[in-house]
Amino acid sequence: GDSVTQMEGPVTLSEEAFLTINCTYTATGYPSLFWYVQYPGEGLQLLLKATKADDKGSNKGFEATYRKETTSFHLEKGSVQVSDSAVYFCALRDYGQNFVFGPGTRLSVLP
Amino acid sequence: ETGVTQSPTHLIKTRGQQVTLRCSSQSGHNTVSWYQQALGQGPQFIFQYYREEENGRGNFPPRFSGLQFPNYSSELNVNALELDDSALYLCASSLAGSNSPLHFGNGTRLTVT
Repeated sequence: GDSVTQMEGPVTLSEEAFLTINCTYTATGYPSLFWYVQYPGEGLQLLLKATKADDKGSNKGFEATYRKETTSFHLEKGSVQVSDSAVYFCALRDYGQNFVFGPGTRLSVLP
Repeated sequence: ETGVTQSPTHLIKTRGQQVTLRCSSQSGHNTVSWYQQALGQGPQFIFQYYREEENGRGNFPPRFSGLQFPNYSSELNVNALELDDSALYLCASSLAGSNSPLHFGNGTRLTVT
């Protein structure tokens, strides 16, 4: 079945550091890809998405590019802030329109 | 625009009991799905409803059941609760279509003792 793999956390960075969270997927066909963020005590919020190969999703300084050849959708941000501390989930939506989530990567940004 | 709302926010039940969780979809959304998120893990798909019919189900036993109402709100029912059912239960709504993202509520934290 479909699956999503993310780099293990926690990831701890200093403010203004560069962030990369790796995500790779296994799926039949060409799924849509998403990054969600979860702040403490809250549900998941959509961060960005890409629906086809080579699409780049971006939002709030975060970006990720749909790479079909490497089945990857790595999340990047050039300069993280303390307010970016959260858990980040990579996810795909398959042809059955069901979402499959990765295990999440916890990010802590220190001032 | 009203977002996805879930009730209650927290719940404590005893093993063997039954529980009902409720969800109101975001306005304009016609599809609702439920996810179980165990501590420290990603959400796991339970099932999805569209037009009041279940149209997708994950690897959960039949004691997990649901309903969708004509106003697109939804319920998740769990019978014969087990300790491992303790988790955050997330409801998400969306529009039918492969590119439509999920919009999540803040979840119901269920503790089974």
